[in-house]
Amino acid sequence: QKEVEQNSGPLSVPEGAIASLNCTYSDRGSQSFFWYRQYSGKSPELIMSIYSNGDKEDGRFTAQLNKASQYVSLLIRDSQPSDSATYLCAPRMDSSYKLIFGSGTRLLVRP
Amino acid sequence: GAVVSQHPSWVICKSGTSVKIECRSLDFQATTMFWYRQFPKQSLMLMATSNEGSKATYEQGVEKDKFLINHASLTLSTLTVTSAHPEDSSFYICSAFGVGVGKETQYFGPGTRLLVL
Repeated sequence: QKEVEQNSGPLSVPEGAIASLNCTYSDRGSQSFFWYRQYSGKSPELIMSIYSNGDKEDGRFTAQLNKASQYVSLLIRDSQPSDSATYLCAPRMDSSYKLIFGSGTRLLVRP
Repeated sequence: GAVVSQHPSWVICKSGTSVKIECRSLDFQATTMFWYRQFPKQSLMLMATSNEGSKATYEQGVEKDKFLINHASLTLSTLTVTSAHPEDSSFYICSAFGVGVGKETQYFGPGTRLLVL
């Protein structure tokens, strides 16, 4: 079983729709969770972090965390073509500050 | 947010030569830096973790004598690919974590694309 599981996609949504990206993780000791966006040929950039169960909103992005279910998600409202990228879920092992990356979900937003 | 730079952004070299990649945190002190490698259409693979002033910790399967890491200051880490071969061609990305603006999580450099002929 992979440590971090993400649907590779592509997830295709029309412009203006809500994109829902999901991630499950196996390490129950993970306490911090991060979403990174990676455009093709570029390095990852931080989108959001979440540490507590529940929802956290930042602009068009909402992260959701359920530690009991070992599940974290990212919602993107009013999706734009510029949101087309690969989204990486990364729980953190706080003792070492290592991030465990999933393989990423490729999102395509159709104009 | 925290800014991390890498140099060079692109490097092409002949097989057997060594290549040095620099990673700098520009607006914060990076107590820890990470080096990743990413092959096309694959996720990031952590190669090693380096803490300022101490030896790097390598992930399983990564040859420490081939990938030399030095973290001599709180703002600079270097990765040297020794005796590079075509299979070492990849996208190398560093990230930094530390105090101040960089304390929340890892912030990534723009990456270095290495092509070994």
